[in-house]
Amino acid sequence: SQTIHQWPATLVQPVGSPLSLECTVEGTSNPNLYWYRQAAGRGLQLLFYSVGIGQISSEVPQNLSASRPQDRQFILSSKKLLLSDSGFYLCAWSANGGYTQYFGPGTRLTVL
Amino acid sequence: SQELEQSPQSLIVQEGKNLTINCTSSKTLYGLYWYKQKYGEGLIFLMMLQKGGEEKSHEKITAKLDEKKQQSSLHITASQPSHAGIYLCGAYISSGSARQLTFGSGTQLTVLP
Repeated sequence: SQTIHQWPATLVQPVGSPLSLECTVEGTSNPNLYWYRQAAGRGLQLLFYSVGIGQISSEVPQNLSASRPQDRQFILSSKKLLLSDSGFYLCAWSANGGYTQYFGPGTRLTVL
Repeated sequence: SQELEQSPQSLIVQEGKNLTINCTSSKTLYGLYWYKQKYGEGLIFLMMLQKGGEEKSHEKITAKLDEKKQQSSLHITASQPSHAGIYLCGAYISSGSARQLTFGSGTQLTVLP
């Protein structure tokens, strides 16, 4: 069966520091991968999605970037965090050609 | 305004009671997804509806997609404390990109024992 992992689970970072969040999927090949942010009191916002290695589409211009160095690895990064980057970051996957998305456990990021 | 409107925003029910959560769009929905989220955790996929008039059930949870494919309802029968959490609907809406799953703002369900 497929599983999706995210780490770290929680992170507290100062403003201006770099960020790297990692997401990996097991049990499937060539998945579509997604990064979402869920801010307090707001819905889910799609940040990036990827249909293959090195292929990244950005839905919202921002301080963040994403990379997909391996088939089942998706990384969310920032060179300099802003206070507004605080939130709950969720990674999701769907099967190649599929549309149902399955979510990871999330990373709670607090920028101070 | 939200492309997907969920109602109510929050719901408090006594254990054993039935309840309904609605998800409405002004545009045609191409696949309607229901998820459940406990605070601080990821989303758990419940079910997906695609065809107008379709109805699916999972344990005591039933979801329907109306004939015009612009509204879905989630119904819980004989609610239990384990049903508590945030219920989110998500959909690929006609105006969105093929990969953008649009979500409602969620319904916070509390079940009192």
